[in-house]
Amino acid sequence: AQTVTQSQPEMSVQEAETVTLSCTYDTSENNYYLFWYKQPPSRQMILVIRQEAYKQQNATENRFSVNFQKAAKSFSLKISDSQLGDTAMYFCAFMKPGSFGNEKLTFGTGTRLTIIP
Amino acid sequence: DGGITQSPKYLFRKEGQNVTLSCEQNLNHDAMYWYRQDPGQGLRLIYYSQIVNDFQKGDIAEGYSVSREKKESFPLTVTSAQKNPTAFYLCASSPGFDYGYTFGSGTRLTVV
Repeated sequence: AQTVTQSQPEMSVQEAETVTLSCTYDTSENNYYLFWYKQPPSRQMILVIRQEAYKQQNATENRFSVNFQKAAKSFSLKISDSQLGDTAMYFCAFMKPGSFGNEKLTFGTGTRLTIIP
Repeated sequence: DGGITQSPKYLFRKEGQNVTLSCEQNLNHDAMYWYRQDPGQGLRLIYYSQIVNDFQKGDIAEGYSVSREKKESFPLTVTSAQKNPTAFYLCASSPGFDYGYTFGSGTRLTVV
């Protein structure tokens, strides 16, 4: 079974600074997908970024980027120019491709990020 | 706008009673999922459904039941057999093809 580990339960950073959230995972699969989800105080889960394991290029979405190290099984999220609206719980998630509809997400325990004004 | 609607947002029930959480989507997604969220434990999969009239147990299915009579709807029943039902419940759907999930806004269930 796959496991996802987020070793930083809480982090805080000053507004406009850059912050990196760590995530490691354990799998014997060669092809898979990794995700970062954001859960703000409203508790709505929002997809931040997605990475396909067979792509060497790191995914980016505006101020959000990842550092994907496949050999090390590491998938960190970097938030640049952090904003107050980035305050949220961040979850790293792993998906093993399967038959249609059988693609289950396995989540880490989350990192609570607070942006300080 | 397309999305997933979970209702109610807050639900209170007495111990020993069954309760049903609603999840409706208009995204035309075939796959739907139920997750439970507890502090410090992330999200854990309860049940999922790939197609109408078919569903599979997830990692923590004991004490829960589901149905999938329509593509748009995937209700979750928390039965009296669930030993610790107080939690935040999230419903999600997916078009498949490894695009990740779209989540509802969740239901906070409190059993007293």
